[in-house]
Amino acid sequence: QKEVEQNSGPLSVPEGAIASLNCTYSDRGSQSFFWYRQYSGKSPELIMFIYSNGDKEDGRFTAQLNKASQYVSLLIRDSQPSDSATYLCAVIPSFGTGTRLTIIP
Amino acid sequence: EAQVTQNPRYLITVTGKKLTVTCSQNMNHEYMSWYRQDPGLGLRQIYYSMNVEVTDKGDVPEGYKVSRKEKRNFPLILESPSPNQTSLYFCASSSDRGQGSYGYTFGSGTRLTVV
Repeated sequence: QKEVEQNSGPLSVPEGAIASLNCTYSDRGSQSFFWYRQYSGKSPELIMFIYSNGDKEDGRFTAQLNKASQYVSLLIRDSQPSDSATYLCAVIPSFGTGTRLTIIP
Repeated sequence: EAQVTQNPRYLITVTGKKLTVTCSQNMNHEYMSWYRQDPGLGLRQIYYSMNVEVTDKGDVPEGYKVSRKEKRNFPLILESPSPNQTSLYFCASSSDRGQGSYGYTFGSGTRLTVV
């Protein structure tokens, strides 16, 4: 089983700042990595995926992958109050327990 | 609209009374899976199916059954629910046959309370 670990937070970030979310995984052979956003009481929503070492950018979101260190991160630039949610890192079929992010206006 | 539909959204039941949570997807996905989500424990896989008539256990299968008679449907059955099965349940589907190359599409969730 592919174990995935995240800091549960909560992480508080001022509006407009960069939020940085981190994740480590145990299976060195893992190839695909996903970030989901989950609002309270709602279902997880896929926001980013990354397969290769390095950075992948999509709008205000950047996913970073370092396979040698078995480390995945998600950066959210220009954080907005609507970004307040729990962010789940996934190495399918395993999920981290999530990091709760609060953006402070 | 491409989606995974779960029913019911909320369910309160009594210990021992059999129940079924339905899941249906309209994306022609071969892979479907059930998860439960509990505070502090995150999403844990209960069962998955890579194709019709093919199902397998996930991390927490005890007390659950599934069937996959049709590609689009993957019901979760609790034959004798117990209070420790009180949880938020999600059905998910994927186009990649479970290799983990593509992400999941999740249903809206079913909040189950067993008293």
